[in-house]
Amino acid sequence: AQSVTQPDIHITVSEGASLELRCNYSYGATPYLFWYVQSPGQGLQLLLKYFSGDTLVQGIKGFEAEFKRSQSSFNLRKPSVHWSDAAEYFCAVGAAGGGNKLTFGTGTQLKVEL
Amino acid sequence: DGGITQSPKYLFRKEGQNVTLSCEQNLNHDAMYWYRQDPGQGLRLIYYSQIVNDFQKGDIAEGYSVSREKKESFPLTVTSAQKNPTAFYLCASRPTGGNQPQHFGDGTRLSIL
Repeated sequence: AQSVTQPDIHITVSEGASLELRCNYSYGATPYLFWYVQSPGQGLQLLLKYFSGDTLVQGIKGFEAEFKRSQSSFNLRKPSVHWSDAAEYFCAVGAAGGGNKLTFGTGTQLKVEL
Repeated sequence: DGGITQSPKYLFRKEGQNVTLSCEQNLNHDAMYWYRQDPGQGLRLIYYSQIVNDFQKGDIAEGYSVSREKKESFPLTVTSAQKNPTAFYLCASRPTGGNQPQHFGDGTRLSIL
C-alpha cells in the first residue's frame, strides 16, 4: 500500500527566507507525486506534479520540488518566501490505474513571520 | 470558467438525519472523488467514480453513500450511520487517460447541531 509522510506539522520562516518542506513516500513502483496548497476554508490548489523525466520540477508561485528515488523523497522548495505563502501544504502520491487514487500526507502548516 | 462547485459552503445537521452534499463540475472530467478532511489527518478517500453509473468505495466509506447518474454530478450523502460526521468535505475530479492531477472544489463544512 502506498503512503506519504510529512514529518513537519508546523514550520515558521521569516519572509524572504528560503523554504524546504519534506515529503517521503512509500510506493512499490514509479510514483506519481504531487504538491498541493490549501488556504483556510478553501479547496486544494495544485502547485506541481512529477510523473517521469526530469527529477527537478517547477511549479506555480515560484515553487519547485526534487524527486529523489534513492531517498523516496519529494521535497518542496522555494528560494524566497512571501507572506502570502502562509498556508497548509500537502504532499500526495498517486497510483496509475485503479482509479488513480491519491494518498495524502497529513500536511505541513506554514507560518510566515514578517 | 470551468471548475468544480460544491454547495453549500456550510451545512448543519441534526443527529439522526441524512444530509446530501452537492458536487458539480463543468470540466468534462470522467472521474470524480470525495474526500474527508479532519485536522491533523490529511485527506481520506470516501468514494470515487471513474464513469457514470459506476463508483467504488474508498478507505472510509462506512456511513456514506454516493450516486453518479450524470457525468457532471457526484452527490455525497452522509447518513445517520456515520457516527462522527463533523468534518470538511472536498470533491475532486480528473480526466481519465494519461497522468492528470485531480482538481478540487472549495469544500463543504458539515457540523452537527
